[in-house]
Amino acid sequence: QVQLQESGPGLVKPSETLSLTCTVSGGSISGYYWGWIRQPPGEGLEWIGYVYSTGSTNYNPSLKSRVTISGDTSKNQFSLKLTSVTAADTAVYYCARYHLGGAYFDYWGQGTLVTVSS
Amino acid sequence: QSALTQPASVSGSPGQSITISCTGTSSDVGAYNYVSWYQQHPGKAPKLMISEVTDRPSGVSNRFSGSKSGNTASLTISGLQAEDEADYYCNSYTTTNTYVFGTGTKVTV
Repeated sequence: QVQLQESGPGLVKPSETLSLTCTVSGGSISGYYWGWIRQPPGEGLEWIGYVYSTGSTNYNPSLKSRVTISGDTSKNQFSLKLTSVTAADTAVYYCARYHLGGAYFDYWGQGTLVTVSS
Repeated sequence: QSALTQPASVSGSPGQSITISCTGTSSDVGAYNYVSWYQQHPGKAPKLMISEVTDRPSGVSNRFSGSKSGNTASLTISGLQAEDEADYYCNSYTTTNTYVFGTGTKVTV
């Protein structure tokens, strides 16, 4: 059974960079797509983007200028970096495995709340 | 890219059937059969319930079914149970190689 676990700071200052890591267990990240989705408190889900194990990426156009998603096959992890954050970036961030062929997310992490505040 | 439109809330009694709609455009829902549905209980991660409009992953109750007509996809829950009370989100692939979620629907039993 594939399991995902997000980790990273729960508090980030405005204008700084949000960095999160997703550790995958129960399977290899090689050969799969891995993505990030976020959910502001009390609001809906927003697709951030995904990375393939070889490094190719696809991002939400509204975040593209600030987002980098990368994978590390040696650690079986992938990560999210979001630069120049504001209060609007406060959200629960989920990592998930993405099934490209069917365009759906089948395994999800439990989520981690990141608050942007000074 | 605008969020897909879902009703804010749908309610039903135990044993009844309810349907949640997900309305998009010819550039997303209407373009491909790549609509998925997710169930989210409070404080929990979303769970995949339906993929590719109609496919039900292993382990998901057959009380959940999906369909699509034109630019609108639908999720039907039959034999409503207390455990079905949750938020539900649709998601669609788009013609610009991006993905858009629905606004979310709160189901009350």
